[in-house]
Amino acid sequence: GQNIDQPTEMTATEGAIVQINCTYQTSGFNGLFWYQQHAGEAPTFLSYNVLDGLEEKGRFSSFLSRSKGYSYLLLKELQMKDSASYLCAVRDGDYKLSFGAGTTVTVRA
Amino acid sequence: IAGITQAPTSQILAAGRRMTLRCTQDMRHNAMYWYRQDLGLGLRLIHYSNTAGTTGKGEVPDGYSVSRANTDDFPLTLASAVPSQTSVYFCASSDLAGAGEQFFGPGTRLTVL
Repeated sequence: GQNIDQPTEMTATEGAIVQINCTYQTSGFNGLFWYQQHAGEAPTFLSYNVLDGLEEKGRFSSFLSRSKGYSYLLLKELQMKDSASYLCAVRDGDYKLSFGAGTTVTVRA
Repeated sequence: IAGITQAPTSQILAAGRRMTLRCTQDMRHNAMYWYRQDLGLGLRLIHYSNTAGTTGKGEVPDGYSVSRANTDDFPLTLASAVPSQTSVYFCASSDLAGAGEQFFGPGTRLTVL
């Protein structure tokens, strides 16, 4: 199985940068995903890492270190609309995802 | 239909009743999944199907069953609902090639009394 840990809550100011860490212990690894979920809505895909390193997509970047069982999601130039839950998920060899409990980010003006 | 749809949007159900949650996708994805989401516990996989005609158990399968008669549909059945099955249920689908990110339906909010 998978054990995935991420902080419960984070607060940041509009225009700032926030880094959400995710650590995992896995019995099989086939990629790490980050999803965004606004309150009352479905999760939507943000990023995917399968090799070590940084993947950048506009204001969002995601980093992976497989040897350390560690990933982070970096949100730059925060906007009010970025207030949401961010879900870290690890995929196993059977293409099943295991999710962390999610990190609620609150952006203040 | 565009993407993945679920029905009903919400439902209140008496304990002991049978209930089927519907999920349909039009993206021709081979894999489909059912999750439940509870406060503080995140998304937990109930059942999945990597291709039409096959299904598998996830982390929390007890009390639920699924079928995958064709590519597009993946219904989830609660044979005899219990209050602990009160949750938000999300269906998802993915193409197993490439990144294979999962696309989620809008969810069904189920309350069992």
